Amino acid sequence: KQEVTQIPAALSVPEGENLVLNCSFTDSAIYNLQWFRQDPGKGLTSLLLIQSSQREQTSGRLNASLDKSSGRSTLYIAASQPGDSATYLCVGMNTGFQKLVFGTGTRLLVSP
Amino acid sequence: SQTIHQWPATLVQPVGSPLSLECTVEGTSNPNLYWYRQAAGRGLQLLFYSVGIGQISSEVPQNLSASRPQDRQFILSSKKLLLSDSGFYLCAWSTAGAEAFFGQGTRLTVV
Repeated sequence: KQEVTQIPAALSVPEGENLVLNCSFTDSAIYNLQWFRQDPGKGLTSLLLIQSSQREQTSGRLNASLDKSSGRSTLYIAASQPGDSATYLCVGMNTGFQKLVFGTGTRLLVSP
Repeated sequence: SQTIHQWPATLVQPVGSPLSLECTVEGTSNPNLYWYRQAAGRGLQLLFYSVGIGQISSEVPQNLSASRPQDRQFILSSKKLLLSDSGFYLCAWSTAGAEAFFGQGTRLTVV
């Protein structure tokens, strides 16, 4: 059974810092990995999708990488801003294209 | 463009009452559909997923059921709600190997 763990569970930093959020999964039979953010009481907003043939994706200040051999993905946030405060979730799709397995989430707070 | 509609946004229901949450998808065909629940301060728990009309897989035993009467319609139901059914319910869709999209969620409070 695929399990996805995110470290740290919570993170509080001052504005301007560069951050690394980690996601690890137990089963290497993962097809692609997607990072989302969730604001309190809201739905999920897709940030980056790393598909099977890719190793990383970049969007603005965000960079995500995927290493299937080690079962890890990282989300790098450059020059963090208070607006980045949210819960960040990684989601893996299994190779059968059926299940979306969620990580446990990292709650980020960026202080002005 | 692809969109996902989920309603209602909030719902307050008494214990023992029935439940029906609906999710519809536009702009795609034969999507995988998912229902998740998020309890307060907790992670997202997969409740049901469907890879086609009438095909429902249940992840956890519970007081809920799901149905997919049409290709782009996914319904979450309960005959009698429990207090423990309170939470934030999210519908999602994806196609094989591609990006997943989520609805805006329904906050259910059972009183």
